[in-house]
Amino acid sequence: DAGVIQSPRHEVTEMGQEVTLRCKPISGHDYLFWYRQTMMRGLELLIYFNNNVPIDDSGMPEDRFSAKMPNASFSTLKIQPSEPRDSAVYFCATGWGSHYNEQFFGPGTRLTVL
Amino acid sequence: TQLLEQSPQFLSIQEGENLTVYCNSSSVFSSLQWYRQEPGEGPVLLVTVVTGGEVKKLKRLTFQFGDARKDSSLHITAAQPGDTGLYLCAGGSQGNLIFGKGTKLSVKP
Repeated sequence: DAGVIQSPRHEVTEMGQEVTLRCKPISGHDYLFWYRQTMMRGLELLIYFNNNVPIDDSGMPEDRFSAKMPNASFSTLKIQPSEPRDSAVYFCATGWGSHYNEQFFGPGTRLTVL
Repeated sequence: TQLLEQSPQFLSIQEGENLTVYCNSSSVFSSLQWYRQEPGEGPVLLVTVVTGGEVKKLKRLTFQFGDARKDSSLHITAAQPGDTGLYLCAGGSQGNLIFGKGTKLSVKP
């Protein structure tokens, strides 16, 4: 298996633009997590899905952030409009069954909002 | 709010030295994971501990879960430059995984 795939790896955009981050999970994993990592706040859980259904989105910072998982092999995290304080590395991770805490992370998307 | 405090925040040592890093919380966790993250990559799972007092070994790395399942330690024997990275602990409870901010380890040859 290729592991968790994220795209793009790097994104530079201007304030106010829409940003869409993409994730392809490991086949067979029924949990998908979106995280954000910054120096100040470390790794923060934004939202997670189980069997494509959003379970907990309490970590989503505000309404500008939205996430979808239309099927078991694809998820998106969208920021609209983006702001400089959204600059961070965004990770997608997956897990399965009762071992969902043993997560497999993608390589991340480094987002810079100017 | 559950929090995981990791110490030290930074550690720079010479190859061959031993070291211990800590992960502490006031909350009880059903399981605790340790991950290592290298620059430009996502965290990679090293180990999961579940039982209070549990000790697990992974080559030169020894992981211990506290008796009360609120804290953990990672001991590295004879550190190698390849051990350099950010070590993150993560606690699981009620479907959420909480991460500490990590210990950034640098092992110089």
